[in-house]
Amino acid sequence: DAGVTQSPTHLIKTRGQQVTLRCSPKSGHDTVSWYQQALGQGPQFIFQYYEEEERQRGNFPDRFSGHQFPNYSSELNVNALLLGDSALYLCASSLDTINTEAFFGQGTRLTVV
Amino acid sequence: GEDVEQSLFLSVREGDSSVINCTYTDSSSTYLYWYKQEPGAGLQLLTYIFSNMDMKQDQRLTVLLNKKDKHLSLRIADTQTGDSAIYFCAEVFSGGYNKLIFGAGTRLAVHP
Repeated sequence: DAGVTQSPTHLIKTRGQQVTLRCSPKSGHDTVSWYQQALGQGPQFIFQYYEEEERQRGNFPDRFSGHQFPNYSSELNVNALLLGDSALYLCASSLDTINTEAFFGQGTRLTVV
Repeated sequence: GEDVEQSLFLSVREGDSSVINCTYTDSSSTYLYWYKQEPGAGLQLLTYIFSNMDMKQDQRLTVLLNKKDKHLSLRIADTQTGDSAIYFCAEVFSGGYNKLIFGAGTRLAVHP
């Protein structure tokens, strides 16, 4: 089991551009959550996908959107990038049951210049 | 409310025990996590405790939960240099599906 895998590991974008980050959940997991971790801070919840729908959302603007595919993999899209979007983006997968563990990928380090 | 607080830094000598503390606000949290993050890496799940438990032990790790005071601690016995990392406490927000609320992290430095 490869665990949660994210791609790419690093990327650099210019302010105003758009970016797509990808996540494959742990085998058997059906729920994917995305988190943003700014330097020196704890991860902040962006949103969660289950059954290809956004089920809940944190305090992030509409520039942040996502998608979940039938195989449970997920994408995070960010439009009109700002310098403040520079962060480590983490994907977490879990099972849609009560009292379940969430496993994280290694993250994608996004730098906006 | 949604808030988790941790002390920012802890320094211990190799071989000693480390205790990392955390306070949380959501009294309805079903369970609480401890994650470890090494430089440039993602989050590694260390252990978790259900809200109906007071203590959980897992090899060198001991988690204590005081629900009355909403206080959680992680004790690492015989701390090694490989334990140097940032440790995050997280609660599962009761108002959402497995939405995790993280503290800012405690940086553990282990010195000889």
